Amino acid sequence: DAGVIQSPRHEVTEMGQEVTLRCKPISGHDYLFWYRQTMMRGLELLIYFNNNVPIDDSGMPEDRFSAKMPNASFSTLKIQPSEPRDSAVYFCASTYTGSSYNSPLHFGNGTRLTVT
Amino acid sequence: SQKIEQNSEALNIQEGKTATLTCNYTNYSPAYLQWYRQDPGRGPVFLLLIRENEKEKRKERLKVTFDTTLKQSLFHITASQPADSATYLCALWGNQFYFGTGTSLTVIP
Repeated sequence: DAGVIQSPRHEVTEMGQEVTLRCKPISGHDYLFWYRQTMMRGLELLIYFNNNVPIDDSGMPEDRFSAKMPNASFSTLKIQPSEPRDSAVYFCASTYTGSSYNSPLHFGNGTRLTVT
Repeated sequence: SQKIEQNSEALNIQEGKTATLTCNYTNYSPAYLQWYRQDPGRGPVFLLLIRENEKEKRKERLKVTFDTTLKQSLFHITASQPADSATYLCALWGNQFYFGTGTSLTVIP
């Protein structure tokens, strides 16, 4: 089991550019989460999917952010256009809930985004 | 919305002592609560889960308590070691999966 895989690990871009973050969840997991972590705000949930369907995107900051999950093994988080305040570490996590909501989340190692 | 607060941003303790971290939540009554460890540059890693009908859960040097009346969970690390230095986060399912603010623990040799 390779775990949750995120790419790239680091991304430096200029303000106004499009940024795409990628995530491969653990095979068989039915939930996928995108979080953003900053010193000031901690871990914030942006959006989560169940069986590839977005369930709650209320944490997405604004229309510049979009996320997709075209299949069970791949998800993207896109920021267009990017702004300096988007600088943060973005984590993807997955889990399998089965019939109960007590399964732990498995996190990737994150993408550190810097927007200059 | 759910709000989860953890005690003081940073906690420093001497090696061998017991570290106690606090997690307080509001606005929901979770059936269970989870604790995670996060090292610099890495994603959080699951440590322990405790259910609402469990007062206490242990795993090696770790102990978690869950008081649903106080809406509080305590996380203890006994005989702490420098390798325990990390940020510890509590988490729960409300209408989404919420994480606490985290406590940075430093164990001083």
